[in-house]
Amino acid sequence: DIQMTQSPSSLSASVGDRVTITCRASQDINNYLAWFQQKPGKAPKSLIYGASNLQSGVPSKFSGSGSGTNFTLTISSLQPEDFATYYCQQYNNNPRTFGQGTKLEIK
Amino acid sequence: QVTLKESGPVLVKPTETLTLTCTVSGFSLSNARLGVTWIRQPPGKALEWLSHIFSNGEKSYRPSLKSRLTISKDTSKSQVVLTLTNLDPVDTATYFCARVRRGSGIDFWGQGMLVTVSS
Repeated sequence: DIQMTQSPSSLSASVGDRVTITCRASQDINNYLAWFQQKPGKAPKSLIYGASNLQSGVPSKFSGSGSGTNFTLTISSLQPEDFATYYCQQYNNNPRTFGQGTKLEIK
Repeated sequence: QVTLKESGPVLVKPTETLTLTCTVSGFSLSNARLGVTWIRQPPGKALEWLSHIFSNGEKSYRPSLKSRLTISKDTSKSQVVLTLTNLDPVDTATYFCARVRRGSGIDFWGQGMLVTVSS
């Protein structure tokens, strides 16, 4: 199985900040990397696919980059609604695997 | 408008079998580029991928649960069914179904349903 490791596990930031979350795969996943946002008690929301492509309706404040095994999610100009848990997932190989999540909290 | 909705029992006993149904609308399960996946999330923990099925019948399972999981679809009813046998309290989780697009991953999610395994 491909292991997905996110860092940091938690992150404190202020409204207006720009933050970056990292996701590392244990082997090359050919950019088949997705990012999701989840708020407490809610279903995840799809943000990015193919490492850098925004899902329909997702604001451009979210951006993804990376290739091979190292990927990042950047959120600019944080707003209160952006504080949530973020997950990466590889879909290059079966079984599909998720990172352990990064909880973004208000400072 | 694409929607997915999970249904099934909210409380099951240990050793029993869980049957969950995902009813979809706004797309067809016969679409060659689309599939449905099941994902679960134990309370306070991370997302766990369980299984997926595509229109051509291609299936895949989480290796650690492969002997206990079965996924199937009924295209005419727009439903995907997941069964998990021999339940244990550690299977307590919120179960989500989601749409998968080939090459693009998950785009739409169901609301999820909490299933509790307890005697």
